[in-house]
Amino acid sequence: GAVVSQHPSRVICKSGTSVKIECRSLDFQATTMFWYRQFPKQSLMLMATSNEGSKATYEQGVEKDKFLINHASLTLSTLTVTSAHPEDSSFYICSARVWGQGDPPNYGYTFGSGTRLTVV
Amino acid sequence: GDSVTQMEGPVTLSEEAFLTINCTYTATGYPSLFWYVQYPGEGLQLLLKATKADDKGSNKGFEATYRKETTSFHLEKGSVQVSDSAVYFCALLLNSGGGADGLTFGKGTHLIIQP
Repeated sequence: GAVVSQHPSRVICKSGTSVKIECRSLDFQATTMFWYRQFPKQSLMLMATSNEGSKATYEQGVEKDKFLINHASLTLSTLTVTSAHPEDSSFYICSARVWGQGDPPNYGYTFGSGTRLTVV
Repeated sequence: GDSVTQMEGPVTLSEEAFLTINCTYTATGYPSLFWYVQYPGEGLQLLLKATKADDKGSNKGFEATYRKETTSFHLEKGSVQVSDSAVYFCALLLNSGGGADGLTFGKGTHLIIQP
Protein backbone atom coordinates (compact mmCIF):
# COMPACT_ATOMS: atom_id res chain seq x y z
CA GLY A 1 0.00 0.00 0.00
CA ALA A 2 0.83 3.71 0.10
CA VAL A 3 1.99 4.06 -3.49
CA VAL A 4 2.75 7.35 -5.19
CA SER A 5 2.66 7.35 -8.98
CA GLN A 6 4.77 10.04 -10.64
CA HIS A 7 4.58 11.01 -14.32
CA PRO A 8 6.25 11.50 -16.64
CA SER A 9 9.41 9.57 -15.85
CA ARG A 10 11.38 11.45 -18.47
CA VAL A 11 10.67 14.65 -20.37
CA ILE A 12 12.65 16.74 -22.79
CA CYS A 13 11.43 20.25 -23.47
CA LYS A 14 12.58 23.34 -25.28
CA SER A 15 13.92 26.30 -23.40
CA GLY A 16 11.14 28.75 -22.55
CA THR A 17 8.36 26.20 -22.38
CA SER A 18 6.59 24.88 -19.30
CA VAL A 19 6.50 21.34 -18.02
CA LYS A 20 4.05 19.77 -15.59
CA ILE A 21 4.95 16.85 -13.36
CA GLU A 22 2.18 14.91 -11.61
CA CYS A 23 2.21 12.85 -8.47
CA ARG A 24 -0.82 10.80 -7.51
CA SER A 25 -1.39 8.85 -4.34
CA LEU A 26 -3.03 5.65 -5.48
CA ASP A 27 -4.39 4.06 -2.32
CA PHE A 28 -4.29 6.71 0.35
CA GLN A 29 -4.94 10.38 0.89
CA ALA A 30 -1.85 12.53 0.81
CA THR A 31 -2.47 15.62 2.89
CA THR A 32 1.20 16.61 2.72
CA MET A 33 3.44 16.26 -0.31
CA PHE A 34 7.11 17.14 -0.65
CA TRP A 35 8.96 18.02 -3.82
CA TYR A 36 12.69 17.37 -4.14
CA ARG A 37 15.26 18.09 -6.79
CA GLN A 38 18.50 16.26 -7.34
CA PHE A 39 21.38 17.52 -9.45
CA PRO A 40 24.04 15.04 -10.60
CA LYS A 41 26.21 13.82 -7.74
CA GLN A 42 24.25 15.96 -5.28
CA SER A 43 21.77 15.26 -2.54
CA LEU A 44 18.04 15.34 -2.95
CA MET A 45 17.20 18.89 -1.99
CA LEU A 46 13.80 19.78 -0.62
CA MET A 47 12.18 22.40 -2.81
CA ALA A 48 8.79 22.83 -1.21
CA THR A 49 6.16 21.33 1.03
CA SER A 50 2.54 21.40 0.00
CA ASN A 51 -0.55 20.76 2.06
CA GLU A 52 -3.83 19.97 0.39
CA GLY A 53 -5.92 23.07 -0.15
CA SER A 54 -3.29 25.60 0.89
CA LYS A 55 -0.31 27.35 -0.62
CA ALA A 56 2.98 25.53 -0.78
CA THR A 57 5.86 26.45 1.50
CA TYR A 58 9.05 26.93 -0.46
CA GLU A 59 12.56 26.42 0.80
CA GLN A 60 14.97 29.31 0.75
CA GLY A 61 16.34 29.98 -2.70
CA VAL A 62 13.54 28.23 -4.59
CA GLU A 63 11.59 30.55 -6.88
CA LYS A 64 7.90 30.03 -6.23
CA ASP A 65 6.90 31.78 -9.46
CA LYS A 66 9.07 29.42 -11.44
CA PHE A 67 8.16 26.19 -9.69
CA LEU A 68 4.40 26.24 -9.33
CA ILE A 69 2.97 23.65 -7.00
CA ASN A 70 -0.70 22.77 -6.90
CA HIS A 71 -2.16 20.40 -4.34
CA ALA A 72 -5.85 20.87 -4.94
CA SER A 73 -6.92 17.37 -3.98
CA LEU A 74 -5.90 14.70 -1.51
CA THR A 75 -4.67 12.43 -4.29
CA LEU A 76 -2.92 14.79 -6.70
CA SER A 77 -0.07 17.25 -6.47
CA THR A 78 1.56 18.86 -9.47
CA LEU A 79 4.81 20.71 -10.03
CA THR A 80 4.98 23.00 -13.05
CA VAL A 81 8.36 24.28 -14.16
CA THR A 82 7.54 27.51 -15.96
CA SER A 83 9.72 29.03 -18.68
CA ALA A 84 12.21 26.23 -18.27
CA HIS A 85 15.88 26.82 -18.94
CA PRO A 86 18.77 24.37 -19.29
CA GLU A 87 19.82 25.01 -15.70
CA ASP A 88 16.46 23.58 -14.58
CA SER A 89 17.48 20.22 -16.00
CA SER A 90 17.43 17.90 -13.03
CA PHE A 91 15.79 14.92 -11.40
CA TYR A 92 12.57 15.84 -9.62
CA ILE A 93 10.94 13.52 -7.13
CA CYS A 94 7.83 13.80 -5.00
CA SER A 95 7.14 12.27 -1.63
CA ALA A 96 4.01 11.95 0.46
CA ARG A 97 3.70 11.67 4.19
CA VAL A 98 1.81 8.53 5.15
CA TRP A 99 0.27 8.24 8.59
CA GLY A 100 0.36 4.95 10.42
CA GLN A 101 -2.15 3.40 12.78
CA GLY A 102 -0.01 3.49 15.89
CA ASP A 103 -0.61 5.29 19.16
CA PRO A 104 0.74 7.91 19.30
CA PRO A 105 0.29 8.37 15.56
CA ASN A 106 3.46 8.00 13.58
CA TYR A 107 4.22 8.50 9.94
CA GLY A 108 6.56 7.61 7.15
CA TYR A 109 7.26 8.74 3.65
CA THR A 110 6.57 7.18 0.30
CA PHE A 111 8.27 8.39 -2.85
CA GLY A 112 7.42 8.65 -6.51
CA SER A 113 9.82 7.17 -9.04
CA GLY A 114 11.08 10.57 -10.13
CA THR A 115 11.09 12.64 -13.31
CA ARG A 116 14.21 13.31 -15.34
CA LEU A 117 13.78 16.76 -16.90
CA THR A 118 16.08 17.84 -19.70
CA VAL A 119 15.73 21.34 -21.09
CA VAL A 120 17.36 21.91 -24.47
CA GLY B 1 22.03 23.66 9.07
CA ASP B 2 21.30 19.97 9.15
CA SER B 3 23.32 17.83 6.76
CA VAL B 4 24.11 14.25 5.91
CA THR B 5 27.42 13.05 4.51
CA GLN B 6 27.75 9.62 3.01
CA MET B 7 30.55 7.94 1.17
CA GLU B 8 30.94 8.62 -2.49
CA GLY B 9 30.24 5.89 -4.98
CA PRO B 10 30.08 3.86 -6.94
CA VAL B 11 30.91 1.05 -4.57
CA THR B 12 31.63 -2.18 -6.42
CA LEU B 13 31.70 -5.49 -4.57
CA SER B 14 31.58 -9.15 -5.38
CA GLU B 15 28.60 -11.25 -4.37
CA GLU B 16 28.74 -12.44 -0.75
CA ALA B 17 31.15 -9.67 0.25
CA PHE B 18 30.66 -7.60 3.41
CA LEU B 19 29.17 -4.18 2.85
CA THR B 20 29.64 -0.94 4.76
CA ILE B 21 28.33 2.39 3.55
CA ASN B 22 29.35 5.18 5.88
CA CYS B 23 26.96 7.93 6.88
CA THR B 24 27.52 10.80 9.31
CA TYR B 25 25.23 13.65 10.12
CA THR B 26 25.13 17.14 11.55
CA ALA B 27 21.96 18.24 13.30
CA THR B 28 21.00 20.86 15.85
CA GLY B 29 18.69 18.52 17.74
CA TYR B 30 18.05 14.80 18.03
CA PRO B 31 17.11 13.49 14.62
CA SER B 32 15.58 10.27 13.45
CA LEU B 33 17.82 8.52 10.93
CA PHE B 34 16.90 6.57 7.84
CA TRP B 35 18.33 4.55 5.02
CA TYR B 36 16.41 4.57 1.76
CA VAL B 37 17.11 2.44 -1.30
CA GLN B 38 16.31 3.24 -4.91
CA TYR B 39 16.30 0.42 -7.41
CA PRO B 40 16.61 1.33 -11.11
CA GLY B 41 13.48 2.99 -12.43
CA GLU B 42 11.74 3.01 -9.05
CA GLY B 43 11.08 5.46 -6.26
CA LEU B 44 12.90 5.56 -2.96
CA GLN B 45 11.90 2.85 -0.50
CA LEU B 46 12.50 2.93 3.21
CA LEU B 47 15.08 0.30 4.09
CA LEU B 48 15.43 0.87 7.81
CA LYS B 49 15.30 3.56 10.45
CA ALA B 50 16.28 4.41 13.99
CA THR B 51 14.67 7.09 16.11
CA LYS B 52 17.02 7.42 19.08
CA ALA B 53 20.58 6.84 20.15
CA ASP B 54 21.76 3.22 20.25
CA ASP B 55 18.73 2.01 18.32
CA LYS B 56 19.52 -0.52 15.63
CA GLY B 57 17.44 -0.60 12.48
CA SER B 58 17.41 -3.77 10.42
CA ASN B 59 15.71 -5.11 7.33
CA LYS B 60 16.52 -7.61 4.57
CA GLY B 61 19.87 -8.41 6.17
CA PHE B 62 20.90 -4.76 6.37
CA GLU B 63 21.64 -3.12 9.71
CA ALA B 64 22.53 0.33 10.96
CA THR B 65 23.07 1.56 14.52
CA TYR B 66 22.36 5.12 15.62
CA ARG B 67 25.62 6.29 17.21
CA LYS B 68 25.13 9.63 18.87
CA GLU B 69 28.73 9.88 20.09
CA THR B 70 30.09 9.64 16.56
CA THR B 71 27.00 11.13 14.85
CA SER B 72 26.95 8.16 12.52
CA PHE B 73 24.50 5.68 11.04
CA HIS B 74 26.60 3.35 8.92
CA LEU B 75 24.81 0.75 6.80
CA GLU B 76 26.11 -2.82 6.89
CA LYS B 77 25.27 -6.17 5.40
CA GLY B 78 27.17 -9.35 5.95
CA SER B 79 26.75 -10.93 2.53
CA VAL B 80 25.53 -8.89 -0.41
CA GLN B 81 23.65 -10.20 -3.42
CA VAL B 82 23.43 -8.99 -6.99
CA SER B 83 19.86 -7.94 -6.25
CA ASP B 84 21.20 -5.43 -3.70
CA SER B 85 22.58 -3.30 -6.53
CA ALA B 86 20.88 0.07 -6.13
CA VAL B 87 21.43 3.61 -4.89
CA TYR B 88 21.34 3.98 -1.11
CA PHE B 89 20.46 7.26 0.60
CA CYS B 90 21.08 8.15 4.20
CA ALA B 91 18.64 10.72 5.56
CA LEU B 92 17.62 12.48 8.74
CA LEU B 93 14.45 14.00 10.08
CA LEU B 94 14.95 16.46 12.88
CA ASN B 95 11.46 16.67 14.28
CA SER B 96 9.71 13.32 14.11
CA GLY B 97 6.86 14.37 16.34
CA GLY B 98 4.58 15.61 13.62
CA GLY B 99 4.48 18.80 11.66
CA ALA B 100 8.01 18.16 10.47
CA ASP B 101 9.57 19.36 7.26
CA GLY B 102 10.91 17.01 4.64
CA LEU B 103 13.86 14.72 5.03
CA THR B 104 17.47 15.86 4.66
CA PHE B 105 19.32 13.45 2.38
CA GLY B 106 22.89 12.52 1.67
CA LYS B 107 24.07 12.42 -1.94
CA GLY B 108 23.41 8.74 -2.33
CA THR B 109 25.81 5.86 -2.84
CA HIS B 110 25.55 3.72 -5.94
CA LEU B 111 26.20 0.10 -5.01
CA ILE B 112 27.13 -2.38 -7.73
CA ILE B 113 27.32 -6.07 -6.88
CA GLN B 114 29.06 -8.30 -9.37
CA PRO B 115 28.30 -12.03 -9.60
